Amino acid sequence: DTGVSQNPRHKITKRGQNVTFRCDPISEHNRLYWYRQTLGQGPEFLTYFQNEAQLEKSRLLSDRFSAERPKGSFSTLEIQRTEQGDSAMYLCASSSTGTKNSYEQYFGPGTRLTVT
Amino acid sequence: AQSVTQPDIHITVSEGASLELRCNYSYGATPYLFWYVQSPGQGLQLLLKYFSGDTLVQGIKGFEAEFKRSQSSFNLRKPSVHWSDAAEYFCAVGAGKGFQKLVFGTGTRLLVSP
Repeated sequence: DTGVSQNPRHKITKRGQNVTFRCDPISEHNRLYWYRQTLGQGPEFLTYFQNEAQLEKSRLLSDRFSAERPKGSFSTLEIQRTEQGDSAMYLCASSSTGTKNSYEQYFGPGTRLTVT
Repeated sequence: AQSVTQPDIHITVSEGASLELRCNYSYGATPYLFWYVQSPGQGLQLLLKYFSGDTLVQGIKGFEAEFKRSQSSFNLRKPSVHWSDAAEYFCAVGAGKGFQKLVFGTGTRLLVSP
C-alpha cells in the first residue's frame, strides 16, 4: 500500500496562468475526491469520482476549475486563469466501495498552490 | 445541511495529561462521523470513525471518541497525551449522496507542553 500521491507538492504561479495537479489514488480504490484547504480552515469538498464518472461537484468548483479521471485511475485538477484567491492546499483522497471501510477516505499530502 | 463545529481553536495540554477535543455536528439522522489528524507537512490521517452501533469507538494511537446523539456531539479523547500528539485535529461528518462528501470543522490545534 503506497498511499495516495500528489504531484507537484508545491506550485508557484503568476495570476492568470493555468495550472494542473495530479493525484494517484491507492491502487485498488475506485473513488477519488478533491478538497481545498485554506489557512486556518478545514478542508472543503470540491468534487468526487467513482471510477471515471464525476458524481458530485461543489458550487466552489467554478467554471475555471475542471477535474478529470479519464481511465478511472489517476485524476487531474486544472485551474484556468488563476487568481490570488485560488492560493490554497489542494488535497486528494481515495476510498473503496464494497468493503466495510467504504466510507473511509485516505488523503494524500496535498499540493500547495501559491498565486502571485 | 450538515455542518460541524469545533469550538476550541487552540488547546494546550501538559504531556501525560488527559485530552478532550470537542465536536458538535448538525444532521437530522444518524450521522457518519470522523476524526482526522493533520501534522505539519503531512496529509490528513484518519483516527477513527462512527457509523452506527457502539457509541464509544476506539481508534489508532490510543484515541477514542464517544457519540452522544442527545448532545449532537462526537468528542475525541485520549487518557495520556504524548508530545508527538501535537497537531491539528479535524472532526468531519459525511454529507451528500451516499455520505461521500466530508464536511469538516475548522479544526483544533493541540499544543503539548513538557
